[in-house]
Amino acid sequence: GESVGLHLPTLSVQEGDNSIINCAYSNSASDYFIWYKQESGKGPQFIIDIRSNMDKRQGQRVTVLLNKTVKHLSLQIAATQPGDSAVYFCAETPLYGQNFVFGPGTRLSVLP
Amino acid sequence: ETGVTQSPTHLIKTRGQQVTLRCSSQSGHNTVSWYQQALGQGPQFIFQYYREEENGRGNFPPRFSGLQFPNYSSELNVNALELDDSALYLCASSLVAGGVETQYFGPGTRLLVL
Repeated sequence: GESVGLHLPTLSVQEGDNSIINCAYSNSASDYFIWYKQESGKGPQFIIDIRSNMDKRQGQRVTVLLNKTVKHLSLQIAATQPGDSAVYFCAETPLYGQNFVFGPGTRLSVLP
Repeated sequence: ETGVTQSPTHLIKTRGQQVTLRCSSQSGHNTVSWYQQALGQGPQFIFQYYREEENGRGNFPPRFSGLQFPNYSSELNVNALELDDSALYLCASSLVAGGVETQYFGPGTRLLVL
């Protein structure tokens, strides 16, 4: 079946460095992608989204890149801070889809 | 905060029992989706309700059922609980007006089945 996966289950970075979290998806019909951040004991929190007609979108300290040719999505976090420590999920859905398909998540640990 | 609330926050049940979880959507949102998140995994789609009708369902048995009310709040009911039903149950609300819209999640209800 269709799936969304992540290359790295854990990522440790030094405070102040940039972080890159990767995600591969297999559904060629995927049209809309979201990165969520989930802290311990909380629900997923929206970070940034991108539609398939774009290849890059920037937010505050975060950038999402989409490569439809190889079905790859990445989240870049600039100047990583301790508060960025969490599990990050990519999620995708096709146009007019009802549900998002989530990957297994990457745990980001920020080292002092 | 997303404005999506869920109750209760935690719940302990025994195998075979029934449970009802509740969700209040963000103001102005007409769609609610329910997900099950097992420990260490990503959320898995259970079903979605749009204007009080089921609008899509994931790979979950019929003992998982739901309701959406006129005020767009929602319930998830699980009958004949099994040990594997232990998980974090998340609801997400969105405003569907054509195409796909961002889903905003509540804090979840953690269910433990003994």
